[in-house]
Amino acid sequence: NAGVTQTPKFRVLKTGQSMTLLCAQDMNHEYMYWYRQDPGMGLRLIHYSVGEGTTAKGEVPDGYNVSRLKKQNFLLGLESAAPSQTSVYFCASGPTGQGTWGYTFGSGTRLTVV
Amino acid sequence: DQQVKQNSPSLSVQEGRISILNCDYTNSMFDYFLWYKKYPAEGPTFLISISSIKDKNEDGRFTVFLNKSAKHLSLHIVPSQPGDSAVYFCAASVAGGTSYGKLTFGQGTILTVHP
Repeated sequence: NAGVTQTPKFRVLKTGQSMTLLCAQDMNHEYMYWYRQDPGMGLRLIHYSVGEGTTAKGEVPDGYNVSRLKKQNFLLGLESAAPSQTSVYFCASGPTGQGTWGYTFGSGTRLTVV
Repeated sequence: DQQVKQNSPSLSVQEGRISILNCDYTNSMFDYFLWYKKYPAEGPTFLISISSIKDKNEDGRFTVFLNKSAKHLSLHIVPSQPGDSAVYFCAASVAGGTSYGKLTFGQGTILTVHP
């Protein structure tokens, strides 16, 4: 089925370790986004991309890096994980045509940093 | 500073009755508003949206109302069904230009519809 796929779905990291979260979409969308969801905070934008080879900072970019080498993939990297990065991470792509910015989300990656 | 606020963390409603979820915003530049629905262990799914040129948009059982002067929007679900039980997020954006579809989300409201 067409959509947004995130890998992995779960991960536990030790403080200081690094990892990369992968987001892949097969809808030929130009725009892709990484959000994090924390209790009582809603979803907050980390980084986004408006096309292959482009990236930009969102609301909470510190501690994260991103790359968009191919249109269909958007990678989120944590160079040195911290407990404050324990969160659920959602990738999204858009626009979908369901209204201008009703973009499609992946099912999320639950990350715990101990 | 929370630019989009959902002040009710939870709402409990009886099946068949109306559910009203509320959202307030502070940024007067926002001109496009959306509601997303989220089930546990899934990503948010788009529900309904409204442009600031309208004050109401309806889609089946779901209606969104926008009061620009009060910087307030609400989502009405009539009639409510147990399958509507989920977390509902309000989101806002500045349409077009260099906004690039970036959304600012509220904290979410947990809706529980009892049979």
